Amino acid sequence: NAGVTQTPKFRVLKTGQSMTLLCAQDMNHEYMYWYRQDPGMGLRLIHYSVGEGTTAKGEVPDGYNVSRLKKQNFLLGLESAAPSQTSVYFCASRSGETQYFGPGTRLLVL
Amino acid sequence: KQEVTQIPAALSVPEGENLVLNCSFTDSAIYNLQWFRQDPGKGLTSLLLIQSSQREQTSGRLNASLDKSSGRSTLYIAASQPGDSATYLCAVTIQGAQKLVFGQGTRLTINP
Repeated sequence: NAGVTQTPKFRVLKTGQSMTLLCAQDMNHEYMYWYRQDPGMGLRLIHYSVGEGTTAKGEVPDGYNVSRLKKQNFLLGLESAAPSQTSVYFCASRSGETQYFGPGTRLLVL
Repeated sequence: KQEVTQIPAALSVPEGENLVLNCSFTDSAIYNLQWFRQDPGKGLTSLLLIQSSQREQTSGRLNASLDKSSGRSTLYIAASQPGDSATYLCAVTIQGAQKLVFGQGTRLTINP
């Protein structure tokens, strides 16, 4: 099992550009999550999904959209990137009470 | 709104010492509490999970306690080693929710 993988690992965007972050898991988990981590602020939940075809807002959803068309994939989209979205993005999937995290995507918006 | 706080933000101790990391939360209506480890540039790894009905959990040199009534948890690390250097985060699962609320983390450095 590869576990939870994230693509890309690092990306630089200019303000206003769009991009999609991909999260994939091969553990057949129903629940998947997108977090952002900023210095001194821990992880904050952006959006999450409780199953294929479902999505829900987390704590900081503004400026992001998500889709869960396939159970194994959870996509995070930035339609018009802003410098405030410079962060490290983590995806996780959940089995029972345990969340399994991906290695993260480091995004820099100039 | 549930808030989770970890103090201190950073801690540096000599190798071999026993140490305690602290976590506090504002709403005692939690489903469980977890401690995670994060190495630089990496994702999070779950260390210990304590159910709301439990008082503590142990794994090797790690012991986590939970006092729901006072909104506190501690992570005790015995006989610390340089390999324990990492950021440690605690997180609570809110009752009735499917999501975690994280603290800011404590960056731990063990000096040889």
